[in-house]
Amino acid sequence: GAVVSQHPSRVICKSGTSVKIECRSLDFQATTMFWYRQFPKQSLMLMATSNEGSKATYEQGVEKDKFLINHASLTLSTLTVTSAHPEDSSFYICSARDRVSRNEQFFGPGTRLTVL
Amino acid sequence: AQRVTQPEKLLSVFKGAPVELKCNYSYSGSPELFWYVQYSRQRLQLLLRHISRESIKGFTADLNKGETSFHLKKPFAQEEDSAMYYCALSGPGRRALTFGSGTRLQVQP
Repeated sequence: GAVVSQHPSRVICKSGTSVKIECRSLDFQATTMFWYRQFPKQSLMLMATSNEGSKATYEQGVEKDKFLINHASLTLSTLTVTSAHPEDSSFYICSARDRVSRNEQFFGPGTRLTVL
Repeated sequence: AQRVTQPEKLLSVFKGAPVELKCNYSYSGSPELFWYVQYSRQRLQLLLRHISRESIKGFTADLNKGETSFHLKKPFAQEEDSAMYYCALSGPGRRALTFGSGTRLQVQP
């Protein structure tokens, strides 16, 4: 089946630094990737929709200048958390929509971000 | 606004017992409904979706538009079914998923 990878799987950083998370579709092309955030014992909340070659679409309440998304190719989207603060600590999950089988989304394993 | 509600945080049953995980939704239109499962230490994966009308691992789910529900059912639970289950929907033209809060299913021996 289709595989989506995320790197890093876990990151710890100091407050004020920026962190980049990569999401890759390994064996398929993804015109659209999605970034979700999951707090402990809560559900996944959509942050933004990333479209290859165009600007990301952010959900209401998500700061686009804080969470920079780049989708430069059909297999890679990146999420950069800029000037991270402890309240940004969370589990970030990406998913990718298969360009061919357009109804199914495949999820990455997630990235645990801890901001000290 | 679209919303998915899973009223139970935890459902504990014994092996061989029937299982029903509840899911209700609100959406003004015709959404597409999904069930995702997350086994321990694994990523989220699609279990089934309403348009496929299929049974996966013995699970079925029927979309009831009158009751706006999409409950997940299995007649005889197995221990390996223990996992976190998320109901989700997407609307036509909106490809992102809206997730429910999830239900943890524990199947005891």
